[in-house]
Amino acid sequence: SYVLTQPPSVSVAPGQTARISCGGNNIESRTVHWYQQKSGQAPVLVVYDDSDRPSGIPERFSGSLSGNTATLTISRVEAGDEADYYCLKWDRNSDHVYVFGTGTKVTVL
Amino acid sequence: EVQLLESGGGLEQPGGSLRLSCAASGFTFSNYAMNWVRQAPGKGLEWVSAISAGGENTNYADSVKGRFTISRDNSKNTLHLQVHSLRAEDTAVYFCAKDHGYDPYYFDYWGQGTLVTVSS
Repeated sequence: SYVLTQPPSVSVAPGQTARISCGGNNIESRTVHWYQQKSGQAPVLVVYDDSDRPSGIPERFSGSLSGNTATLTISRVEAGDEADYYCLKWDRNSDHVYVFGTGTKVTVL
Repeated sequence: EVQLLESGGGLEQPGGSLRLSCAASGFTFSNYAMNWVRQAPGKGLEWVSAISAGGENTNYADSVKGRFTISRDNSKNTLHLQVHSLRAEDTAVYFCAKDHGYDPYYFDYWGQGTLVTVSS
């Protein structure tokens, strides 16, 4: 089965930059999306189509895709950014249209 | 305001069945694909199933194919997930998630989830 690999955890000091990778095979452009899930809450979309930001999401959140690795970057990290982050890959050509990444816990020191 | 309200979760024995529902409001339900996503206690997110806006196309994760059936009633703005042959590993919070387009693309809104516990 298809696997999207993320680092289990990332620790970052307030004001610094956190980078979360999401690696897989044959990742096409504009197919990776990112979600933030705070403890006990439903996930929230923070980046779609590799690098676009929904309305209401701070500019500190950005995404990119290079080769088969997508990256979510959180600039000027704040305490409120502490959460689990998941990438999601969409595949229109597969019966398994969606695959989530393994998830990354971001801890703000 | 988009609202998704799941219901139907609870405690069920292995081998049992449940019907989960998701009541949608705040958008034109019949224009968007819908999904079920689950999260086992302390674990990551797992996509379970998707249905296109008109209901003509459905997709399932391998872990539930043949046991779960997704459906929708566009006249009642409601999404369903019929689950059969429940296993302990189906224990999870089940989220209803609205898709961005007529067919699967990405999830833009989520409900708060309903807990399914499979145990004897």
